[in-house]
Amino acid sequence: EDQVTQSPEALRLQEGESSSLNCSYTVSGLRGLFWYRQDPGKGPEFLFTLYSAGEEKEKERLKATLTKKESFLHITAPKPEDSATYLCAVHNYGQNFVFGPGTRLSVLP
Amino acid sequence: DTGVSQNPRHKITKRGQNVTFRCDPISEHNRLYWYRQTLGQGPEFLTYFQNEAQLEKSRLLSDRFSAERPKGSFSTLEIQRTEQGDSAMYLCASSLSGGGYSPLHFGNGTRLTVT
Repeated sequence: EDQVTQSPEALRLQEGESSSLNCSYTVSGLRGLFWYRQDPGKGPEFLFTLYSAGEEKEKERLKATLTKKESFLHITAPKPEDSATYLCAVHNYGQNFVFGPGTRLSVLP
Repeated sequence: DTGVSQNPRHKITKRGQNVTFRCDPISEHNRLYWYRQTLGQGPEFLTYFQNEAQLEKSRLLSDRFSAERPKGSFSTLEIQRTEQGDSAMYLCASSLSGGGYSPLHFGNGTRLTVT
């Protein structure tokens, strides 16, 4: 059965303090790994898709990387507006997307 | 691109009542998904459609849940004889099928509270 775990469960950073979020996965056949941002009371917002080990994607202060077993979301010099829950999901060779439980990030001014 | 629209945004119902939610996907997207999310958890897959065909349902999905997508456009999710455990955020998402691996685009959900 496909599984996605994320760590840490919650993370508090000072503004400007860089860190990384982890997404570990087991999947029968990976078609893509996706990162989403979710604000309270809203639906997840798409950030990145990664398809193969070694691939990297960047957007503003966020950078996502992928290995055969895990993905990292690196946050460089975060700002308070980066506070959100970050979700990781894998797309397998069925058509389902399996989500992890998320990491709740708080960035303090 | 007007995004995925879900209605209502909030629904409060008494245990045992039936409820129906509506999702309008992005117009050119042919795949539509329903997920359920409880507090502190990631979205949990319920079912998905390609055009009007329902292609997969979660094994965890109770018989009280039914979804339709007539004419491959909007979709409805009905929960019959609601239970307190059905309280959750119900999320709809749409995507494009095809050669690429299109991400899901989510609506802002319908929050169901069963009292």
